[in-house]
Amino acid sequence: IAGITQAPTSQILAAGRRMTLRCTQDMRHNAMYWYRQDLGLGLRLIHYSNTAGTTGKGEVPDGYSVSRANTDDFPLTLASAVPSQTSVYFCASSDTTSPHNEQFFGPGTRLTVL
Amino acid sequence: GQNIDQPTEMTATEGAIVQINCTYQTSGFNGLFWYQQHAGEAPTFLSYNVLDGLEEKGRFSSFLSRSKGYSYLLLKELQMKDSASYLCAVNHDYKLSFGAGTTVTVRA
Repeated sequence: IAGITQAPTSQILAAGRRMTLRCTQDMRHNAMYWYRQDLGLGLRLIHYSNTAGTTGKGEVPDGYSVSRANTDDFPLTLASAVPSQTSVYFCASSDTTSPHNEQFFGPGTRLTVL
Repeated sequence: GQNIDQPTEMTATEGAIVQINCTYQTSGFNGLFWYQQHAGEAPTFLSYNVLDGLEEKGRFSSFLSRSKGYSYLLLKELQMKDSASYLCAVNHDYKLSFGAGTTVTVRA
């Protein structure tokens, strides 16, 4: 693994189903983030984690949950998917101790909820 | 809330210069990022400004005025591969708030 990976690449899901999007980074970054990207709205922060064992709500957290059991993994769960959660989901990570706190993004997961 | 504005679209000719403006009103400021995003791909880091002034990196430059809540990204000697979306993002409380992005189309 080099950098940050996400799985699956894409998924079509029936409304009401539970779904977990996976994210793994090997850069030992302390912070990780989940965004959704919708046309005309840009990237919006769903949840974040500044360090393993802690999580926080972003701008659009409703309908989503996260966990951060270790440094490398940050899964995003949709407990009961709805069509409005159709979007492209990006995971990112950063080292908040670095001067820039630059975020590195995974390749994204394209989710369609029918 | 956070408010970050940038134009939706810009078109320019190969070899030309394009300036993408970004204005922001955010609760807190720890720096401003510009990211490039090609269609269907992840955003990638272009530049970072935390102090007022111009940062130059090859064909790309970024400017920041904190008192005006204003930044721009300057793309010089445009190439076809520069056709992409450019995202302005403000860092506050170790989180990023993004503008909606500016789609730049480079014509031959």
